[in-house]
Amino acid sequence: ETGVTQSPTHLIKTRGQQVTLRCSSQSGHNTVSWYQQALGQGPQFIFQYYREEENGRGNFPPRFSGLQFPNYSSELNVNALELDDSALYLCASSFLGSSGANVLTFGAGSRLTVL
Amino acid sequence: RKEVEQDPGPFNVPEGATVAFNCTYSNSASQSFFWYRQDCRKEPKLLMSVYSSGNEDGRFTAQLNRASQYISLLIRDSKLSDSATYLCVGTLSNTGKLIFGQGTTLQVKP
Repeated sequence: ETGVTQSPTHLIKTRGQQVTLRCSSQSGHNTVSWYQQALGQGPQFIFQYYREEENGRGNFPPRFSGLQFPNYSSELNVNALELDDSALYLCASSFLGSSGANVLTFGAGSRLTVL
Repeated sequence: RKEVEQDPGPFNVPEGATVAFNCTYSNSASQSFFWYRQDCRKEPKLLMSVYSSGNEDGRFTAQLNRASQYISLLIRDSKLSDSATYLCVGTLSNTGKLIFGQGTTLQVKP
């Protein structure tokens, strides 16, 4: 059973640029959630994707967008990067069925630095 | 007010000590609760779920008090390897959306 993998692990961008982060979900999982974790803070929910559609969104502006693909992998896109976007971006997958979702499995994260 | 609040610490304790972390939540609709452990520069990993009846897993005991909207984690006989950040987590439904507290940092010293 493969776990959740994310790429890239680290990247540096400058203000105004755009970034795409990628996530492969754990085998057997159909839902992907994205979280932003700033230094010294707990992860904050960005959004969740289920069946290739957004299934819930946190308090993040529209320049944060995502995709889920038929193989359940996902992308997080951030446009017009700001300094405050510097954070660890965590992807988590789970299986969502008729009885609810099972426990999330997190990837190791993508650490974004915006200069 | 944050939906899930924790004392960020740090808690510095000697090996063998018993340490307790507390957490409060503001949304009474929160359904499920967990404690996650996060090592430095790593992803969060599930430590244990929290049940109203209280539950124990080895040296770790978790409690949930829905009337007071309060969650706790007790670690007995602390080990050096327990040093990490402990995240209190709630969910509003079974959708997988987790609401994390800020985390409480524990440093166990020899």
